[in-house]
Amino acid sequence: DAGITQSPRHKVTETGTPVTLRCHQTENHRYMYWYRQDPGHGLRLIHYSYGVKDTDKGEVSDGYSVSRSKTEDFLLTLESATSSQTSVYFCAITAGAENGYTFGSGTRLTVV
Amino acid sequence: QQQVKQSPQSLIVQKGGISIINCAYENTAFDYFPWYQQFPGKGPALLIAIRPDVSEKKEGRFTISFNKSAKQFSLHIMDSQPGDSATYFCAASIEADKLIFGTGTRLQVFP
Repeated sequence: DAGITQSPRHKVTETGTPVTLRCHQTENHRYMYWYRQDPGHGLRLIHYSYGVKDTDKGEVSDGYSVSRSKTEDFLLTLESATSSQTSVYFCAITAGAENGYTFGSGTRLTVV
Repeated sequence: QQQVKQSPQSLIVQKGGISIINCAYENTAFDYFPWYQQFPGKGPALLIAIRPDVSEKKEGRFTISFNKSAKQFSLHIMDSQPGDSATYFCAASIEADKLIFGTGTRLQVFP
């Protein structure tokens, strides 16, 4: 989607390896979120950020960490990937209030 | 514990028919209820949203009905079209932050 890109789009990794997913925005929005999407679970919040170096845990944060050193970049790290972290990961941004979230196109991660 | 419960899981509708998707929530502090539409391979996109101070909101063929006392809200798609075939998610939050999503409904509209 315009203004937000996720990389990589697809990744296969081995159990136990660290993995970093990147979310980059050009909208200068303050709020950024990482969700994972799994069948039967919808989208679940992993971590979120309200600004540079201002991050917090969401509903399913175990095994994940994030960093935001610049307004435009929000990184999600799987410290030691497990098969249960096989999922589609979405980043979202918003200007706040009722502007709605703008989602990226997602990263399909497979942990083997 | 699922804070936002969505049904049905899947829905098949004939072209021109009405599609209805229902959601129920538990947290009475929620004050923002959006619906998102997702096509395969894409991220969800905001479709329509409502605040609890109104019982209905309409945008084109899409209507949200909201029942505060029952803690339920629903999406109605009038004159459903094949192009509406997608997965729909309801969500809820406090002040439009940290959305909590339902489990999704896959809608298929057949000509």
